[in-house]
Amino acid sequence: NAGVTQTPKFQVLKTGQSMTLQCAQDMNHNSMYWYRQDPGMGLRLIYYSASEGTTDKGEVPNGYNVSRLNKREFSLRLESAAPSQTSVYFCASKHPSSYEQYFGPGTRLTVT
Amino acid sequence: EDKVVQSPLSLVVHEGDTVTLNCSYEVTNFRSLLWYKQEKKAPTFLFMLTSSGIEKKSGRLSSILDKKELFSILNITATQTGDSAIYLCAVEGGTYKYIFGTGTRLKVLA
Repeated sequence: NAGVTQTPKFQVLKTGQSMTLQCAQDMNHNSMYWYRQDPGMGLRLIYYSASEGTTDKGEVPNGYNVSRLNKREFSLRLESAAPSQTSVYFCASKHPSSYEQYFGPGTRLTVT
Repeated sequence: EDKVVQSPLSLVVHEGDTVTLNCSYEVTNFRSLLWYKQEKKAPTFLFMLTSSGIEKKSGRLSSILDKKELFSILNITATQTGDSAIYLCAVEGGTYKYIFGTGTRLKVLA
């Protein structure tokens, strides 16, 4: 039981490049989330998926797209990376009967 | 606009001290308040509070919620170096909507 896994752990991109951050959970959770964490800003919700086949915007969705591939996987795509997207990205999942979100280990992304 | 404010932003104490971390919020459709501990990587869950005045305890950590005054506190007694971390407060404000504070960075010196 690995919980929530994220790949890659680190990534450096040049401005304008694209990439996809992968997230998977093996806890059979319905809802999944993508957050970014910046110094002094706390965690901010980018997108979430209430269940397989649905996705919705969070607080800071601009510049990102998501795909809920199946119940286990929820990916985050940066189509044209910008320096403002330099951040640590966390994926999380939650069971509908629980208040607790389980977080992955994070991806540290730097855009130069 | 919904917001969660934590104070202090950072704190340095010595082992054995007691600390109190604060979390105030202005969130419509309040459902719950959660505390997380973040060491090097992912936040890990500490407490979930929904009712005023009921203290939650886990070892040396305890937390309480005041829904009238819109705040929560997290107490850590007899601090240890292993308590050094960022402590995050989050409020669930409606289905799937979590608003996080900026966190309190606690450093416990031996």
